[in-house]
Amino acid sequence: AQSVSQHNHHVILSEAASLELGCNYSYGGTVNLFWYVQYPGQHLQLLLKYFSGDPLVKGIKGFEAEFIKSKFSFNLRKPSVQWSDTAEYFCAVNAMDSNYQLIWGAGTKLIIKP
Amino acid sequence: KAGVTQTPRYLIKTRGQQVTLSCSPISGHRSVSWYQQTPGQGLQFLFEYFSETQRNKGNFPGRFSGRQFSNSRSEMNVSTLELGDSALYLCASSSFEDEQFFGPGTRLTVL
Repeated sequence: AQSVSQHNHHVILSEAASLELGCNYSYGGTVNLFWYVQYPGQHLQLLLKYFSGDPLVKGIKGFEAEFIKSKFSFNLRKPSVQWSDTAEYFCAVNAMDSNYQLIWGAGTKLIIKP
Repeated sequence: KAGVTQTPRYLIKTRGQQVTLSCSPISGHRSVSWYQQTPGQGLQFLFEYFSETQRNKGNFPGRFSGRQFSNSRSEMNVSTLELGDSALYLCASSSFEDEQFFGPGTRLTVL
């Protein structure tokens, strides 16, 4: 069965630190990849997505992610975090061969210390 | 464009009762997915409807059911509520296989 792994469940950083959140998936076929964010008290919203093309994708609020097919990874990065980035981040994958069901990682809670 | 709406926003029920939650997707979106979100279990997929047909289903007991109407609005029903069903129930809509847009959720508390 397909699965998505997010390696860190909780991350605490200081403002201006660099961020990298790991995401690995188990499916070997063609996939679509997503990162979602849930700010405290707000809806889940899309941060960025990858369908095809340039494996380095840029999203909102300075976030980017790199798709490395050989490593089945789609890690999220931000060079310098802000206090307002405190949120829960979810990686999700869907695949054509699985009827496009979106498979979710367990989420990473990110806390930025001011 | 109006976003995904869910009603009601909050519900309090007692064990053994049943509940129906409603979701109105973004206009033009034909896919509606339902999730259960809890602090301990994260985001758990319940089911997805596309053009009135259940296309995908998660690993939840048969007490959880859903349906989708011809206007793409969807309902989910939970019968014989248990304490463990207390959660935030999220609905998301999408167009084809693109990103999902989430509603604010319905907070269900079972006493």
